Amino acid sequence: EAQVTQNPRYLITVTGKKLTVTCSQNMNHEYMSWYRQDPGLGLRQIYYSMNVEVTDKGDVPEGYKVSRKEKRNFPLILESPSPNQTSLYFCASRWGLGNYGYTFGSGTRLTVV
Amino acid sequence: DAKTTQPNSMESNEEEPVHLPCNHSTISGTDYIHWYRQLPSQGPEYVIHGLTSNVNNRMASLAIAEDRKSSTLILHRATLRDAAVYYCILPTYDKVIFGPGTSLSVIP
Repeated sequence: EAQVTQNPRYLITVTGKKLTVTCSQNMNHEYMSWYRQDPGLGLRQIYYSMNVEVTDKGDVPEGYKVSRKEKRNFPLILESPSPNQTSLYFCASRWGLGNYGYTFGSGTRLTVV
Repeated sequence: DAKTTQPNSMESNEEEPVHLPCNHSTISGTDYIHWYRQLPSQGPEYVIHGLTSNVNNRMASLAIAEDRKSSTLILHRATLRDAAVYYCILPTYDKVIFGPGTSLSVIP
């Protein structure tokens, strides 16, 4: 089944403890991106990647890192998480340019205490 | 980036058609119009997209105004499973901006 897989689904961590949220797609999509969703603020783009080894900042990149060493994987790294990064995170992928539909993962609910 | 505006919420009776409007008055000639929906506790799900002509698929129909400044997502027979937040977006080659969307309630 064509899908975007995020892990973990739920994560509670403490301030400052580095964590990685993984994202993998099995559709050979070139484009991948990360979003966070907060009540009243909607979905906001954190980082995106047009292809392997090509990443760029979205609207809210502060406090996050990404890497794209392989086409299928696009992990989101929080080097020193803070409580304001408590949020629902979604990874998405797309084949080619903007006229193709996005496939989203099921989400990762992160709580930083 | 071109922006979209949608009503915050709408209601529909079960098994009746639903017309969800979206305004995008600053759309450029090459912007595709995409619709996604998000069920509670799930990621957004692709519904349909189009450029100029009306489009149909198994989930819905998309009616695009002749001047492309507005569009309407049509659910032909609303079911309880269609209760969700519906987003109308205009993705570019590198990013997509989601507005608050329309929260659709379906009344049994």
